[in-house]
Amino acid sequence: RKEVEQDPGPFNVPEGATVAFNCTYSNSASQSFFWYRQDCRKEPKLLMSVYSSGNEDGRFTAQLNRASQYISLLIRDSKLSDSATYLCVVITSGGYNKLIFGAGTRLAVHP
Amino acid sequence: SQTIHQWPATLVQPVGSPLSLECTVEGTSNPNLYWYRQAAGRGLQLLFYSVGIGQISSEVPQNLSASRPQDRQFILSSKKLLLSDSGFYLCAWNGVGVTGMNTEAFFGQGTRLTVV
Repeated sequence: RKEVEQDPGPFNVPEGATVAFNCTYSNSASQSFFWYRQDCRKEPKLLMSVYSSGNEDGRFTAQLNRASQYISLLIRDSKLSDSATYLCVVITSGGYNKLIFGAGTRLAVHP
Repeated sequence: SQTIHQWPATLVQPVGSPLSLECTVEGTSNPNLYWYRQAAGRGLQLLFYSVGIGQISSEVPQNLSASRPQDRQFILSSKKLLLSDSGFYLCAWNGVGVTGMNTEAFFGQGTRLTVV
């Protein structure tokens, strides 16, 4: 089983739609969680951190469910510019630091 | 502010040639450093990570090696490249925040390596 798993998509949605991505992780010792966005042929860039209580940044909402070991990202009112690959990231500590990325979920927003 | 430099941006190398990619971080000390590879249309595969000078952990057996000769310098090397080494190589760093939790990772701009 992969340490971090995501549905690869693609998710094809019209502008204005709401779309949700899930990501599961296998190591219960995981401590830090993030969502990144990667545009084609570019390096990943931080979209938002994921806090235990859930957090929102404009149209984006992130949730963490430790019991079920998954994190989610909700995008409301999708824009054309949201088209990208969304990567979830999990950091496992416990004496070392290992930053593990999911394979990414591709989102295509169309007019 | 912290910055991360990775070079070169693109590289075309023949099979069997050596490789050296360098990554340096500025504006922080004792960062955790990472090397990733991304094949076309695929996710990021963690190759190596380092929590300190001379401390390298390898994630997958491969034709590559990594070294950390200085606190903020991370080098990815190969003695003889294979065709399968082609990909997008990314260096990243993170640290520990004031709460004691790991911070987010910051990436270099990547090196697109084509082995021919």
